Amino acid sequence: DAGVIQSPRHEVTEMGQEVTLRCKPISGHDYLFWYRQTMMRGLELLIYFNNNVPIDDSGMPEDRFSAKMPNASFSTLKIQPSEPRDSAVYFCASSPYGRGLHNEQFFGPGTRLTVL
Amino acid sequence: EDQVTQSPEALRLQEGESSSLNCSYTVSGLRGLFWYRQDPGKGPEFLFTLYSAGEEKEKERLKATLTKKESFLHITAPKPEDSATYLCAVHGSSNTGKLIFGQGTTLQVKP
Repeated sequence: DAGVIQSPRHEVTEMGQEVTLRCKPISGHDYLFWYRQTMMRGLELLIYFNNNVPIDDSGMPEDRFSAKMPNASFSTLKIQPSEPRDSAVYFCASSPYGRGLHNEQFFGPGTRLTVL
Repeated sequence: EDQVTQSPEALRLQEGESSSLNCSYTVSGLRGLFWYRQDPGKGPEFLFTLYSAGEEKEKERLKATLTKKESFLHITAPKPEDSATYLCAVHGSSNTGKLIFGQGTTLQVKP
């Protein structure tokens, strides 16, 4: 398996622009997670899905952030409008937990977002 | 509220100098404790899962142990390639499918 795939790997944008991050989870995994990592705050869970349904979005910082999972093989995280404080590395992870398996999470390579 | 605290924040070792990383946790109904390794510019990589106090797991120079309040990641005779950030996470009964991560310990092993 190719593992969790994220695109783009790097994104540089200007304040106020819309940013869309993409994720393809590992096939067969029931859970998908979006994280944000910064030096100051470490790894923060933003939102997670089970069988394409959002379960907990309490980590989403504000209404500028939204996430969707239209099918089992694709998810997006959108920031509109973007602000400099959104600059971070965003990770997507997936887990087979829902299939009664151990719930270790498998992370993608991340998207490094810079908002100028 | 489930919580994970890792110490130290940073650790510098000479090659061959064994040491331990600590992960203290409070969780309602531990379902699993996880150790991950993260290299610069990459996503965290799964190392171990521990499920109950007294359990131990080993992989090369790493050994993870678990008590009711904390976990240790023992590194025996480390090599420079063991340099990375090590993250601890817990899965509690109140959080279906969700892991709570600590801030990590950044390990540097000098040759």
